Amino acid sequence: QKEVEQDPGPLSVPEGAIVSLNCTYSNSAFQYFMWYRQYSRKGPELLMYTYSSGNKEDGRFTAQVDKSSKYISLFIRDSQPSDSATYLCAMSSAARQLTFGSGTQLTVLP
Amino acid sequence: GAVVSQHPSWVICKSGTSVKIECRSLDFQATTMFWYRQFPKQSLMLMATSNEGSKATYEQGVEKDKFLINHASLTLSTLTVTSAHPEDSSFYICSATVGREGGYTFGSGTRLTVV
Repeated sequence: QKEVEQDPGPLSVPEGAIVSLNCTYSNSAFQYFMWYRQYSRKGPELLMYTYSSGNKEDGRFTAQVDKSSKYISLFIRDSQPSDSATYLCAMSSAARQLTFGSGTQLTVLP
Repeated sequence: GAVVSQHPSWVICKSGTSVKIECRSLDFQATTMFWYRQFPKQSLMLMATSNEGSKATYEQGVEKDKFLINHASLTLSTLTVTSAHPEDSSFYICSATVGREGGYTFGSGTRLTVV
């Protein structure tokens, strides 16, 4: 079993839809949770960073962390074609080494 | 925000030659940098952790003599792929942490093709 599980998709949604991306994990030592967006042939770009459980909102993006269920989510409201990319969840313990999910490929159709 | 500059963005080299990839933190000091490898449609796999002024820590299965990492200053880490072979063709990405509470900033990646 992988430490971090993420549905690889692909996921296609119409423009304006709400997108829900999720990851589950098994390592209870993870404390820092991140979501990255990666366009083709580019490095990952940090979207959201959360410490421990709770919600965090930044514009159209909302990140949720439920440590009791070992489950994290990223919601994208009013999705745009420019949101089409691969979304990677990542997490780390206090030791700071990142563990990535496999990534979900998202396409927002105009 | 914090920026990590990675160079070159792509390189083609002949089998048996060596290639150096540079990773620089432009507006902050990075005592620790990380090197990842990513195959098409796959996630990032950590290769090694690079610490300024000391030897890198390699992940299991990564050949330290093939992937030489040097972190000689607080703003520069380099990865040298020695005696490259076609199976080394991949997307290599570096990253650095930004402070204790910050996330990780990634470079733009280097696409290596060995022919």
